[in-house]
Amino acid sequence: AQSVAQPEDQVNVAEGNPLTVKCTYSVSGNPYLFWYVQYPNRGLQFLLKYITGDNLVKGSYGFEAEFNKSQTSFHLKKPSALVSDSALYFCAVRDAGTGKLIFGQGTTLQVKP
Amino acid sequence: GAGVSQSPRYKVAKRGQDVALRCDPISGHVSLFWYQQALGQGPEFLTYFQNEAQLDKSGLPSDRFFAERPEGSVSTLKIQRTQQEDSAVYLCASSRQGPNTEAFFGQGTRLTVV
Repeated sequence: AQSVAQPEDQVNVAEGNPLTVKCTYSVSGNPYLFWYVQYPNRGLQFLLKYITGDNLVKGSYGFEAEFNKSQTSFHLKKPSALVSDSALYFCAVRDAGTGKLIFGQGTTLQVKP
Repeated sequence: GAGVSQSPRYKVAKRGQDVALRCDPISGHVSLFWYQQALGQGPEFLTYFQNEAQLDKSGLPSDRFFAERPEGSVSTLKIQRTQQEDSAVYLCASSRQGPNTEAFFGQGTRLTVV
């Protein structure tokens, strides 16, 4: 069965510092990996995806993610955090058959001024 | 439309009442998904449509839950005889076909059963 794990419930960083939100995955076959962000009372917004190719994927709002096959990880990163980045972040793997997304439990990112 | 639209945004139902939640996907998107998100949790898959065909309903928690997409566009998720444990946010997403495409989500319907 495919799954993703987000080991941290919350990540706290100071504005201007780099941030990392961790995600590990377990899939059979090629992984289709995604990051989404959720602001309060809003739906999920797509940030970026890894399908194949370069291990460093660039996405929206200055975010990027590094795919590491040997460590089965897909960590989300940003070089310089903004207070407005504070939100709930979800890592997900997409089932190749049905296309359904399987989400992690989410990580709350708190960026303090 | 510009994005996925869901209605109503909020719904309060008395226990035992039937509810219907609507999803308008992005025009031309073949795939449509329903998810249930409990407070503080990640979304959990409920069901999947490819055009009008419901190809996967393995995530529906009971036979009180029913979804349809009769013309391959708008979808309705119906919950019969609602119970308190049905309280959650119901998210709809649509995408083009294929696992390498991103899914776009609506803002969700927050259902509260009292």
